[in-house]
Amino acid sequence: AQSVTQPDIHITVSEGASLELRCNYSYGATPYLFWYVQSPGQGLQLLLKYFSGDTLVQGIKGFEAEFKRSQSSFNLRKPSVHWSDAAEYFCAGTYSGGYQKVTFGTGTKLQVIP
Amino acid sequence: GAVVSQHPSRVICKSGTSVKIECRSLDFQATTMFWYRQFPKKSLMLMATSNEGSKATYEQGVEKDKFLINHASLTLSTLTVTSAHPEDSSFYICSASLSSGGSNEQFFGPGTRLTVL
Repeated sequence: AQSVTQPDIHITVSEGASLELRCNYSYGATPYLFWYVQSPGQGLQLLLKYFSGDTLVQGIKGFEAEFKRSQSSFNLRKPSVHWSDAAEYFCAGTYSGGYQKVTFGTGTKLQVIP
Repeated sequence: GAVVSQHPSRVICKSGTSVKIECRSLDFQATTMFWYRQFPKKSLMLMATSNEGSKATYEQGVEKDKFLINHASLTLSTLTVTSAHPEDSSFYICSASLSSGGSNEQFFGPGTRLTVL
């Protein structure tokens, strides 16, 4: 069955430091992959998405993610973290082609320290 | 574009009563809408998928008689929690898809915090 795994439940980084949040997927075919961010008590905001083509995807707020088929990964990165980036981040995936259910990872909570 | 709203944002009700949550796509027509439940510090759990004009498809373990979903138009879906119990307290999030196929991108509402006393 298809799945999305986020190995890190909680990550703490210093403001200004670089960030990488891990996401691994398990899909039989080429998946569509997403990263969402959720602030406390809020809904989800799409950061970026990968459907096909260039494996390095640029998103909003300075985030990027790289699709690596050989590693079944879609890690989220940001070169310099801001205090406002503190939130919960969810990786999600679905099958390409036609409508399919989206599966979410368990989330990674990002804490930013001064 | 692609804005989804939810109403109410917060609701507190007594045990045994019913609560209706609305999900609206404000600037697009959504053939398919989704209802998720999120427990504290947990991921989103898909409850059901609703298509305009047809019955919702519920995920395994979700009681369809307890969580009534109606997708009356291309811009509105409602979730009614019937005979609410304290264990139904949760954060409910809806999302809408621009089309039933294609990119599968979902646009999420801001969520509704339900507290059952």
